[in-house]
Amino acid sequence: DIQMTQSPSSLSASVGDRVNISCRASQSISNYLNWYRQRAGKAPELLIYAASSLPSGVPSRVSGSGSGTDFSLTISSLQPEDFATYFCQQSFSSSLTFGGGTKVEIK
Amino acid sequence: QVHLQESGPGLAKPSETLSLICSVSGDSISSDSDYWSWIRQPPGKGLEWIGYIHHSGSTNYNPSFKSRLTISVDTSKNQFSLKLRSVTAADTAVYYCARVDAAIFWFDPWGQGSRVTVSS
Repeated sequence: DIQMTQSPSSLSASVGDRVNISCRASQSISNYLNWYRQRAGKAPELLIYAASSLPSGVPSRVSGSGSGTDFSLTISSLQPEDFATYFCQQSFSSSLTFGGGTKVEIK
Repeated sequence: QVHLQESGPGLAKPSETLSLICSVSGDSISSDSDYWSWIRQPPGKGLEWIGYIHHSGSTNYNPSFKSRLTISVDTSKNQFSLKLRSVTAADTAVYYCARVDAAIFWFDPWGQGSRVTVSS
């Protein structure tokens, strides 16, 4: 299986802050990388697909970048609804795997 | 708007079979551009992909579950289901169903989740 490693595992930030979350794959996955946000007690929601594409309805303060093994998710100005846990997921391999998650907490 | 809803018992006994159904509305489960998947999340932990199915019946399972997993589809009811045999306490989790894009294999949307506890 392809292992997905996220860093940091948690961070504290304030409303309006810029936040970066990293995701590293154990082998090259081209741009087959998706990001999800999971608010407390809720199901995950798709934020980014194919490393940098935004689904309709996702605000432009969210962006994704990277290819190969190193990827990042950036939120340019953190809003109250962004305090949540974020997961990356690779879809290069037929055995789909997720990162361990990054929890974004209020400072 | 596509909506997925999990249903099934909230409790399963050790060594028995965990069974869940996912009902799909707002989209046909017979769409060739979609797969239909199960994902789980143990309490306080991350996400684990279980497997997915195409309306044709073609499946892809996580090797970790392969020996005790069956995912099936009922196109007449627009539903798909999960059966996980020989469960243990380690199978206690929230189980989500989700639609899978057949090109890039992202999960969207997700159901609200069904909490299943394995306990005698």
